[in-house]
Amino acid sequence: DVQLVESGGGLVQPGGSLRLSCAVSGFTFSSYWMTWVRQAPGKGLEWVAKINQDGSQRHYVDSVKGRFTISRDNAKNSLYLQMNSLGVEESAVYYCARDRNFRFCSSQAGCYYYYAMDVWGQGTTVTVSS
Amino acid sequence: DIQMTQSPSSLSASVGDRVTITCRTSQSINIYLNWYQQEAGKAPKLLIFAASGLQSGVPSRFSGRGSGTDFTLTISGLQPEDFATYYCQQSFTIPYTFGQGTNLEIK
Repeated sequence: DVQLVESGGGLVQPGGSLRLSCAVSGFTFSSYWMTWVRQAPGKGLEWVAKINQDGSQRHYVDSVKGRFTISRDNAKNSLYLQMNSLGVEESAVYYCARDRNFRFCSSQAGCYYYYAMDVWGQGTTVTVSS
Repeated sequence: DIQMTQSPSSLSASVGDRVTITCRTSQSINIYLNWYQQEAGKAPKLLIFAASGLQSGVPSRFSGRGSGTDFTLTISGLQPEDFATYYCQQSFTIPYTFGQGTNLEIK
């Protein structure tokens, strides 16, 4: 079965750091872009970061640039998110997800590739509080 | 960043009803639009990719349409397990952005 399992969440003080992990099984991890998405309590989804197959390309939402680092270890089938200088507003459930490239043909656009997050972990909770 | 506006924010319907959720983007995104379902306390689940592509295993009562800036998700014949929150998301450009969500409740 395809499975993503996050860990590493917990309680951290404002300004503190935390490293999240996402253990992957059931598919060839090294073949896919991977993504982190977060959801504050009672709020909607926010995309945080994504990384390509070999780790050479990384993208972040502006609010975390310079503080968060996404990385991966293909030998360990694992994805990571190092979070530094955390603020209380970053308390959330953090999900890892596979960012799959779907080939799709439409009458409007012809045949192209489109990204969508097709497999998600169960999430790990980060609480930033003093 | 591309802004995503979903409507309505909440919706009450009955089992068997047909409902439509709308997503509007602040700029044209071709068909780089995905829909997710999130049940309470669970991770999101991909329903539709590329505006109208049905994800494997998703029932055919779910359908998506649209291109450019206006998109819809339609559920034909609501089932009890469909009462959840639905999000649209654009993958046209980084940063990916989501709509604020539509909470579908039982009437």
